[in-house]
Amino acid sequence: SYDLTQPPSVSVSPGQTASITCSGHNLGDKYVCWYQQRPGQSPVLVIYQDNKRPSGIPERFSGSNSGNTATLTISGTQAMDEADYYCQAWDSNTAVFGGGTKLTVL
Amino acid sequence: QITLKESGPTLVKPTQTLRLTCTFSGFSLSTSGVGVGWIRQPPGKALEWLALIYWDDDKRSSPSLKSRLTITKDTSKNQVVLTMTNIDPVDTATYFCAHFNPLYGMDVWGQGTTVTVSS
Repeated sequence: SYDLTQPPSVSVSPGQTASITCSGHNLGDKYVCWYQQRPGQSPVLVIYQDNKRPSGIPERFSGSNSGNTATLTISGTQAMDEADYYCQAWDSNTAVFGGGTKLTVL
Repeated sequence: QITLKESGPTLVKPTQTLRLTCTFSGFSLSTSGVGVGWIRQPPGKALEWLALIYWDDDKRSSPSLKSRLTITKDTSKNQVVLTMTNIDPVDTATYFCAHFNPLYGMDVWGQGTTVTVSS
């Protein structure tokens, strides 16, 4: 089975840049989505097709994907960005999620 | 506006069969490329993809759960049903359904329904 690996936690100071990685074999050959999940809420799509933002998602969210690693970058991180973030890709017509990264803004 | 809502039992006994319904609005499951997927999340744990059904009735499911899962759709009722057999306490989770768009992926999620498996 295909695995996606994320760091369990990332910390960032308000106003700084947060980077969350997602690693998988030849991940750069696949499209990656990123989801934000605040406590007690449903996941929200923040990045699709590696680097595209859905309508309504702030410009401070960006993504990249190359080689074996995809990265979600949040520029000018705000307190409201504190949440769990999950990467997701498709492999052999099945969806795979990473283990999630808890972003702490402190 | 696309909305989805999950419904089903909140408490299920081990070995029973779980039946969850996703009722949606704002799109048609007869539109080319569109699908509805199911994802679950055990308490304090990560998201786990379960299954997806497409507009043309093509179906995909998690290899690890494939033998226990059935996904069906009723286009006239705007519903998708997920059935999971031989339920176990490890299946305790919040179950989400989501709209699938071939361009965006799983772009709109329901609020989730919590299922507890216990005797």
